[in-house]
Amino acid sequence: DVKVTQSSRYLVKRTGEKVFLECVQDMDHENMFWYRQDPGLGLRLIYFSYDVKMKEKGDIPEGYSVSREKKERFSLILESASTNQTSMYLCASSTTGDLTEAFFGQGTRLTVV
Amino acid sequence: KQEVTQIPAALSVPEGENLVLNCSFTDSAIYNLQWFRQDPGKGLTSLLLIQSSQREQTSGRLNASLDKSSGRSTLYIAASQPGDSATYLCAVRSSNTGKLIFGQGTTLQVKP
Repeated sequence: DVKVTQSSRYLVKRTGEKVFLECVQDMDHENMFWYRQDPGLGLRLIYFSYDVKMKEKGDIPEGYSVSREKKERFSLILESASTNQTSMYLCASSTTGDLTEAFFGQGTRLTVV
Repeated sequence: KQEVTQIPAALSVPEGENLVLNCSFTDSAIYNLQWFRQDPGKGLTSLLLIQSSQREQTSGRLNASLDKSSGRSTLYIAASQPGDSATYLCAVRSSNTGKLIFGQGTTLQVKP
């Protein structure tokens, strides 16, 4: 069974903290994605990575950075957490090309207080 | 810029009805289109993947079609059940950028 695992299901952090969200996939996929999901706004792409050490900005990269040092792991970093970053964060992975089905993790509900 | 739209935003039907969910996209340069299901507070579960060269895919009571030239896809659910209640999302994979772009979803309620 394919698997994308996010390190935390629920997380509460304080304003100004540096926050790390971790995502690991076991399918040897080249591509990995980070989204946030908010009511009324749907899923918005923050960053994606098409290979180790490679990254592309999505639609809402401000306030976030990412790290992909190994193929199986893609980390989302909130440099200085703010209350408007309270959201559901979803990680996904896929192969490249026409057959590229995307698989998602279970999500991390982050609350910044 | 690719934009994906889903209509309707919400749908409530009695059990047993057949129903159709709609998805449209603005740029036909896609690798594929994927339909997902999301239960409240959970991650996304992949339902069907249609490659750009395909017209439809079927899985059980679900059938998805793709008309790439007109930028449309439909998800047909036959004989709906209360367990089908969830949010259904479509997403297209851009062949220009590699990005996976989502619609805002259709929230389905199937009443017993």
